[in-house]
Amino acid sequence: DTEVTQTPKHLVMGMTNKKSLKCEQHMGHRAMYWYKQKAKKPPELMFVYSYEKLSINESVPSRFSPECPNSSLLNLHLHALQPEDSALYLCASSQQRAGTGNSPLHFGNGTRLTVT
Amino acid sequence: EDKVVQSPLSLVVHEGDTVTLNCSYEVTNFRSLLWYKQEKKAPTFLFMLTSSGIEKKSGRLSSILDKKELSSILNITATQTGDSAIYLCAVAPNNAGNMLTFGGGTRLMVKP
Repeated sequence: DTEVTQTPKHLVMGMTNKKSLKCEQHMGHRAMYWYKQKAKKPPELMFVYSYEKLSINESVPSRFSPECPNSSLLNLHLHALQPEDSALYLCASSQQRAGTGNSPLHFGNGTRLTVT
Repeated sequence: EDKVVQSPLSLVVHEGDTVTLNCSYEVTNFRSLLWYKQEKKAPTFLFMLTSSGIEKKSGRLSSILDKKELSSILNITATQTGDSAIYLCAVAPNNAGNMLTFGGGTRLMVKP
């Protein structure tokens, strides 16, 4: 088990649904991330929040909407998704900038999303 | 564009064998290289390397960075079935932001 908690573990949604993925960490990390991982592929960065502000948006479609209510929580709001959006969505956090000093990324176990 | 390439793509060995996984990178303004192990869920952190030539070791796993060759290796000695996983290499550039560029991973299977 990791110290980054993601809920739900699995989610099946239709293309007209609105749902949210949640991520929580209590390690005092100030950077939080959303990654998307398709089968047999490495994780792809979607969003980065640094000190609760969105610092990177990797040209992600607007049907994905991130939110960082506070330094411990990160949400990903989903609306009007397509079947090709089905993937494992990983949340991660790091104490500082990823790869800085003693600041590796710590990943959650992910939400496996299926869009029907 | 930053690029990280891992080899081999996949590897099948028997318990007790030693394996070496490779990671090479082309990154503007390199800061550090990280190794992760991914079984069914979260990638778990193994090592972070910033200095060339210094070996990091944890039990049967070790890794070393060669900045001159723009590469790193991950060694696993006396492999066990529990080592079966995808091993991911990622590189952090030294620019503003928090981005890691991941390689495609090496899928290791250890047979009893």
